[in-house]
Amino acid sequence: EVQLVQSGTEVKKPGESLKISCKGSGYSFTNYWIGWVRQMPGKGLEWMGIIYPGDSDTRYSPSFQGQVTISADKSISTAYLQWSSLKASDTAMYFCARQAAVHWYFDLWGRGTLVTVSS
Amino acid sequence: EIVLTQSPATLSLSPGERATLSCRASQSVSSYLAWFQQKPGQAPRLLIYDASNRATGIPARFSGSGSGTDFTLSISSLEPEDFAVYYCQQRSNSWTFGQGTKVEIK
Repeated sequence: EVQLVQSGTEVKKPGESLKISCKGSGYSFTNYWIGWVRQMPGKGLEWMGIIYPGDSDTRYSPSFQGQVTISADKSISTAYLQWSSLKASDTAMYFCARQAAVHWYFDLWGRGTLVTVSS
Repeated sequence: EIVLTQSPATLSLSPGERATLSCRASQSVSSYLAWFQQKPGQAPRLLIYDASNRATGIPARFSGSGSGTDFTLSISSLEPEDFAVYYCQQRSNSWTFGQGTKVEIK
């Protein structure tokens, strides 16, 4: 089955670091871009950035550049989103998604990882 | 950054009615626009890509049109499972989403 499996719910304190994951299976992981999308509670979708696991080429939205780091380990078909110092405003659901090679939009999504940052 | 503005924010309709959703770009995105559907507690689902192409498995009652700065998603006859939030997204210059339109049951 072609799928993206995301890591589980996280509850962290402000200032802590965090790395969440997204594991692809059922397809050639290195041949498709993987992106991250934020959805704050009750709000819309925000495109954060994207990585090509084949060579780790990474692009960020200006809104998220310097705020998060996107990486990938192609040997285990996993992409990551990480923070060095979380803020309460990072509380959100984070989705990873695969970008289709045919049309360059997200055609396969993970179920999301809920991150709660609270003191 | 290209800003996408969706209207209306909320659309209240009954099953069987036609839904028309709008997405306007702050500058031309050519035909590089997609539509997604999101239901509560679920990930988004791709409906339409490049303005007018239905994604795999999407029913024919969903259609998209437009180019440049003005785009429309139409649902010809609303089914109960179509009540959800719809987002447009452009890929002409990086990628951005609109703020969403909620289609609710009247």
